[in-house]
Amino acid sequence: QKEVEQDPGPLSVPEGAIVSLNCTYSNSAFQYFMWYRQYSRKGPELLMYTYSSGNKEDGRFTAQVDKSSKYISLFIRDSQPSDSATYLCAMSASGSSNTGKLIFGQGTTLQVKP
Amino acid sequence: DAGVTQSPTHLIKTRGQHVTLRCSPISGHKSVSWYQQVLGQGPQFIFQYYEKEERGRGNFPDRFSARQFPNYSSELNVNALLLGDSALYLCASNLVRGLTDTQYFGPGTRLTVL
Repeated sequence: QKEVEQDPGPLSVPEGAIVSLNCTYSNSAFQYFMWYRQYSRKGPELLMYTYSSGNKEDGRFTAQVDKSSKYISLFIRDSQPSDSATYLCAMSASGSSNTGKLIFGQGTTLQVKP
Repeated sequence: DAGVTQSPTHLIKTRGQHVTLRCSPISGHKSVSWYQQVLGQGPQFIFQYYEKEERGRGNFPDRFSARQFPNYSSELNVNALLLGDSALYLCASNLVRGLTDTQYFGPGTRLTVL
C-alpha cells in the first residue's frame, strides 16, 4: 500500500464548476500538507501549504486537512480553463530526519472545458 | 528574484553512461532536494542537502549520488544508466524554518536513456 493515495483521474469539468481533489494517507506522523500544480512538462508549483488539521483559503483555492480521517482536500471555485493541469498532494512528517522529504500522491489530471 | 534553475533542460544518454544534472537554488536558500518523476507518477524523493551535508536519502541505489557546493548549488550524478532511469529530475529549493521547510521546484531536467 502506498503511503499517499490519489485518484489519477482524469477529471473533466465545465468552466465555472467547483472542483474537489482529494488524497488519503496512512502515516499518522504526517503533519505538513501541500498541494502543487504541475503543467505538462513543467516543474510543480506550490499552491497551498497547511500545518496539521483545519482549513486554509487563498483566493479561489481552499485546502482542508482532516487528520482523524487521514484525508486532505483541495477545492477550486469558479474553475477556469487555465486551471487545467495535474494536481499533486504532498506531505511530510516533522523532525530533522524528515526535513526536505516530501511524499507525493500520484497526481490528479484536471481538465476544465470552456 | 530568480527562481530555481536547472540544467540541462533535456538530455539523451545511452545505457551504461554517466550523467550529471545541475541545480541552483533560490538566493538565500541553503538546502536543496532532488526528486525523480516518472511519467504518470508523483515525484519520488532521492536526496536532501543542507549546508553542504546530506540530510536525507530516499530508496535509490548507490548509482545515484549528489553533492552541494559552498554557493549552495547542487549536482546529481547517476552512474551506469538504465532504461528505467528515464524520467524528469526535479530540484527543489528549500526554505528551512526550524524542523520543517517549504519546497519550491525548478523546471526539471528531462532525461531519456536509450
